[in-house]
This record gives sequence, structure tokens and C-alpha cells, in this order.
Amino acid sequence: NAGVTQTPKFQVLKTGQSMTLQCAQDMNHNSMYWYRQDPGMGLRLIYYSASEGTTDKGEVPNGYNVSRLNKREFSLRLESAAPSQTSVYFCASSPGTANSGNTIYFGEGSWLTVV
Amino acid sequence: GEDVEQSLFLSVREGDSSVINCTYTDSSSTYLYWYKQEPGAGLQLLTYIFSNMDMKQDQRLTVLLNKKDKHLSLRIADTQTGDSAIYFCAETGLTGGGNKLTFGTGTQLKVEL
Repeated sequence: NAGVTQTPKFQVLKTGQSMTLQCAQDMNHNSMYWYRQDPGMGLRLIYYSASEGTTDKGEVPNGYNVSRLNKREFSLRLESAAPSQTSVYFCASSPGTANSGNTIYFGEGSWLTVV
Repeated sequence: GEDVEQSLFLSVREGDSSVINCTYTDSSSTYLYWYKQEPGAGLQLLTYIFSNMDMKQDQRLTVLLNKKDKHLSLRIADTQTGDSAIYFCAETGLTGGGNKLTFGTGTQLKVEL
């Protein structure tokens, strides 16, 4: 069972470069999420997609864009990478909204370094 | 906005019980979660509790919820070296439309022999 798959696992970027983190889930989930994890700050929500065709900003959306390509895939794009975007990025999905008790499943993470 | 707080570190001896604590501010919290993260890996859901429950037990794990004090705890009985990891408390509620899971900073549990 693949669950939530995100690529790449590791990436080094130069300041100003762009890149897209890919995420796919095979659980037929409606909702998908992108979080970033930084030391001492827990996980912070960047963007989420409650259902196919919708996206909304989370807590820290600046510098990012997202695309819910279809029900399975939710990509995160950095248009012009900055050192402050060095972080570990996690994609996640859930059957529905989080407050209906639906479990959120996480991918393995993508380690991004911007130099 | 909502806030979830945890202590950063906890060290216990193998075989002892571990208690990881969490406080939150969102009075509309409906579900509270405990996730485990091992080095270099993603987050694994351990357990969750609905806000109208006081306690939930699952094998070695016991979750206690004091809704009045907005305090959540995770007790791990007979702690093993394999329990060494970072444990995240998280909550979700009506604030944020039910799609925002707010995480604590994580508690690093170290199990010593």
C-alpha cells in the first residue's frame, strides 16, 4: 500500500530557482494538505485542498502556490526559492475534513535546502 | 490564533512509564491527536480522541483529556527503546473550517537503558 507518496525526497536549490514538489495519494481521499516542518516550530499548514477543484491558504502560504491536479495529486510550487524556505515538507491527505475525525495520513517528507 | 504547546524533551528509563503533556487554546477543538515521528520519517498517527471523551486506551497507550483545562496527555506504559521519537500533539476544531490541524512543537522522547 503506497498511501501518500511525495517526490523528490531531497533537493538542493539555489536562491531564485523554482521547483515543484509532487504528491499523490491512492486512498481516494478528498482532502489534501501541504505542511512544512521547522525545528522548534512543529508543523505549519501551507495550503490545503478540501476537495478536488478547491484550494485554500493555510498558516504560511507566502512564497508558495499549489495545484490540485485531480483527486489523487496535489503539487506545491516554489516560484523563486529563498533560504527561509529551507525546510522539510510533508504532504498529507484525509478522507474528508479533519474535524469529522478523519485520520490525516502523511507522506515521508521532502527535505529542501535553499542555498 | 489557535496554539498548542508541549515541552520539548522527555527522558525516561526503559520499562518506566512516559507521560507527554500538551495544552491547547482552541475551545472549539473537536478532535485531538497524537502523532509519532521517527528520525527521517513522516508522521504516524498513534491515536486520537474526540472532545467529548475523557480517556482512551489502546494497548500501551492511554490518552487523557481534561477539556476544562484544555490539557491532553499521552501515557506510554512499559516504555521501550523503540518508543524513542518525537511525539506531536495536534488538534482540529471548528476554527479554520475543520481543515486546519494545529500541531504542537513536538516532544522528543529519549528512552535510556
